[in-house]
Amino acid sequence: DTAVSQTPKYLVTQMGNDKSIKCEQNLGHDTMYWYKQDSKKFLKIMFSYNNKELIINETVPNRFSPKSPDKAHLNLHINSLELGDSAVYFCASSQVRGQVNTEAFFGQGTRLTVV
Amino acid sequence: QKEVEQNSGPLSVPEGAIASLNCTYSDRGSQSFFWYRQYSGKSPELIMSIYSNGDKEDGRFTAQLNKASQYVSLLIRDSQPSDSATYLCAVYTSGTYKYIFGTGTRLKVLA
Repeated sequence: DTAVSQTPKYLVTQMGNDKSIKCEQNLGHDTMYWYKQDSKKFLKIMFSYNNKELIINETVPNRFSPKSPDKAHLNLHINSLELGDSAVYFCASSQVRGQVNTEAFFGQGTRLTVV
Repeated sequence: QKEVEQNSGPLSVPEGAIASLNCTYSDRGSQSFFWYRQYSGKSPELIMSIYSNGDKEDGRFTAQLNKASQYVSLLIRDSQPSDSATYLCAVYTSGTYKYIFGTGTRLKVLA
């Protein structure tokens, strides 16, 4: 029973296309995130949502549009894909408990390759 | 200055040795600290979390936190070849709604 699941696992597409990645968590967490991991393994925050509301948009091009229909789902739609968008995208979720945040749980990742 | 800094490695240790991984962070107000392990092609998985100054032990792993020095470390005792992976340090500051990751340290345990 996967805690954070994202689909698809692999995505190969041509430049200029539009694609979506879906994410769902069954942990009951209030906060969900999208991270991008580049070829050097650096995990960079893109977006965070708390109770379906966008909290952080970390200077991501507006070709990237997240959508959270409810607090268990956070999808990512990417328009007009570019070569530089090739990376692994991770969805994650966590729960804030007072001043302390517990760990983030990650989905299995989506390896996006733009050709 | 990067927000979370780690040596990229690779750090090579012989099997059975202690591997020591280090991380410094810039936000003095950070309260939550995490070590993740990531195998190639896989997602990050939590190894340890630590919130208070001092040591926290879990099996072969010990996390150490020194907030005054803004320093977090992870010790792996009796290192095994299966510990070979990239170790990511992550820091969370209340109210920011984001985990800031270091660039990771690649650990190689030599059989």
